[in-house]
Amino acid sequence: EADIYQTPRYLVIGTGKKITLECSQTMGHDKMYWYQQDPGMELHLIHYSYGVNSTEKGDLSSESTVSRIRTEHFPLTLESARPSHTSQYLCASSAGTVETQYFGPGTRLLVL
Amino acid sequence: DQQVKQNSPSLSVQEGRISILNCDYTNSMFDYFLWYKKYPAEGPTFLISISSIKDKNEDGRFTVFLNKSAKHLSLHIVPSQPGDSAVYFCAASARGQGAQKLVFGQGTRLTINP
Repeated sequence: EADIYQTPRYLVIGTGKKITLECSQTMGHDKMYWYQQDPGMELHLIHYSYGVNSTEKGDLSSESTVSRIRTEHFPLTLESARPSHTSQYLCASSAGTVETQYFGPGTRLLVL
Repeated sequence: DQQVKQNSPSLSVQEGRISILNCDYTNSMFDYFLWYKKYPAEGPTFLISISSIKDKNEDGRFTVFLNKSAKHLSLHIVPSQPGDSAVYFCAASARGQGAQKLVFGQGTRLTINP
């Protein structure tokens, strides 16, 4: 099982603030993903990465940005948080051609 | 256009009985399917998967069945235990080059009653 970490676990922040959600994995997985999930809804892919210096937008449009400078690290940034960004953000990783993705514990974001 | 659908938002089952969770998909390119379990305030945990070349995969109390002609899969949990109470997501993938993107259903909340 993959070890994948997300910080912070919970974040309450005011409108207009810049935030960065951290995601790190220790398994050396080349592929990493960010999902957004609202209560009772499916997970929506917002960003993914094939490897270092590779990032792609997912199926759900998002105002967030990501970077992949190191294999183990895939942070997500919101330049100016808004109440519509309130959601749970889940980071995942997978190895090679294996479809199974392993998830971190998530960050619950509340923008006031 | 939702490609993976879990039409039952909730399911309640007696402890010790069988739990059956269902999932339908529309994209015929999907060839790999997974089930995840999610507790509140935690990330999804991988449970079991199945490739389209199989119609059944079993792991302990968990069995996944795939009916390709009906574009339907189901997860059976036998016997159901209180710790199985969680939200279950099915997910599908179309294998190919690059990142393996998963498409998720909306989830089914399973409650196991003592």
